[in-house]
Amino acid sequence: DGGITQSPKYLFRKEGQNVTLSCEQNLNHDAMYWYRQDPGQGLRLIYYSQIVNDFQKGDIAEGYSVSREKKESFPLTVTSAQKNPTAFYLCASSISAHRTYEQYFGPGTRLTVT
Amino acid sequence: KQEVTQIPAALSVPEGENLVLNCSFTDSAIYNLQWFRQDPGKGLTSLLLIQSSQREQTSGRLNASLDKSSGRSTLYIAASQPGDSATYLCAVANQAGTALIFGKGTTLSVSS
Repeated sequence: DGGITQSPKYLFRKEGQNVTLSCEQNLNHDAMYWYRQDPGQGLRLIYYSQIVNDFQKGDIAEGYSVSREKKESFPLTVTSAQKNPTAFYLCASSISAHRTYEQYFGPGTRLTVT
Repeated sequence: KQEVTQIPAALSVPEGENLVLNCSFTDSAIYNLQWFRQDPGKGLTSLLLIQSSQREQTSGRLNASLDKSSGRSTLYIAASQPGDSATYLCAVANQAGTALIFGKGTTLSVSS
């Protein structure tokens, strides 16, 4: 089955700890994205990657970091510098970052920081 | 800066009704518009993608239209079913074409 997997589904951390969210795709897509969703809000872009070993900041990158060492993987680290990390995190991919291509989403990870 | 608005925020209808969800955007220079469905606590499922050169797309009971000049898109759902209950999100590709800008969604409830 082709698709995007995110793990874990639920994640709990203490304030001050860094945490890494996993995103893997077997669709052979070049572009990958991380979005954050808060209750009553639209999705907001955190980071995106158009190709391996390259990534760019989105609208709300502060307090987050990413890596893209492999085409199929795009992990997101939520650092202690992120002031309000509790949210639903969604990973997506598309064939390429060309503007006309459809984006496909994973099932999401709900992060709770206390 | 591109902004996407969806009206209404919530909608309740009885089973069998035809309904329309609205999406508006402030900058008509979009490259495409995508409609998604999101079930509670789940990821997004792509429903329809309309390229900027297209006027509409259809999939089963769903029909999405796009009017770039007026900055509007509508999602038409025919003969609604309880299984259609979900949040529907629209999104447009940003000016750089590198990511999507989302509306806040319309939460639909279809009662049997």
